[in-house]
Amino acid sequence: EVQLVQSGAEVKKPGESLKISCKGSGYNFANYWIGWVRQMPGKGLEWMGIIYPGDSDTRYSPSFQGQVTISADKSISTAFLQWSSLKASDTAMYYCAQEGPGNSFDYWGQGTLVTVSS
Amino acid sequence: QSVLTQPPSVSGAPGQRVTISCTGSSSNIGAGYDVHWYHQLPGEAPKMLLYANDNRPSGVPDRFSGSKSVISASLVITGLQAEDEADFYCQSYDRSLSDVVFGGGTKLTVL
Repeated sequence: EVQLVQSGAEVKKPGESLKISCKGSGYNFANYWIGWVRQMPGKGLEWMGIIYPGDSDTRYSPSFQGQVTISADKSISTAFLQWSSLKASDTAMYYCAQEGPGNSFDYWGQGTLVTVSS
Repeated sequence: QSVLTQPPSVSGAPGQRVTISCTGSSSNIGAGYDVHWYHQLPGEAPKMLLYANDNRPSGVPDRFSGSKSVISASLVITGLQAEDEADFYCQSYDRSLSDVVFGGGTKLTVL
């Protein structure tokens, strides 16, 4: 069974750095693209970017390019999303998801809530 | 404003049929990119409902079906049940934006 398990909720101050994780199991992690999706409070879904753990090929949404860094370590079947300097507007739920047919996302993590507040 | 336009809300009584539309443009749905649908129950992560316009993943009941036309797509739910109450999102790819795009979401209320 494919599972994506994300790291726990985080509370940070503006300007702090953060790295959240998404660990895959039940499939060959290196061979499937993993994407990240943001959902701000009470809002819809926004695609942030995607990575192929096999060779770390990474693509970013233009909206998030330069704002976050996506990485992966296939040796531990884990993808990461990181910020170097958080802003209050980064407060959101972040989901990782495995890419399926035609740029779809067929398996999702449970989400990581990031709260940025002074 | 989302690139893919969905109605903010739809509603129906148990047993009825509802349709959720997803309207795009010539740079996404109209360019031939597939449309995918997700539902999100309150407090939960999204789950895939349909992929590539009209394909159901294993475990999704055949009460859920999809179609795609020129620049739009539709999700049809028949035999509405109370547990169908959720937010629904369409998703595609936009070649002008070079971006995966989601609709703004539709809240389904079962009366």
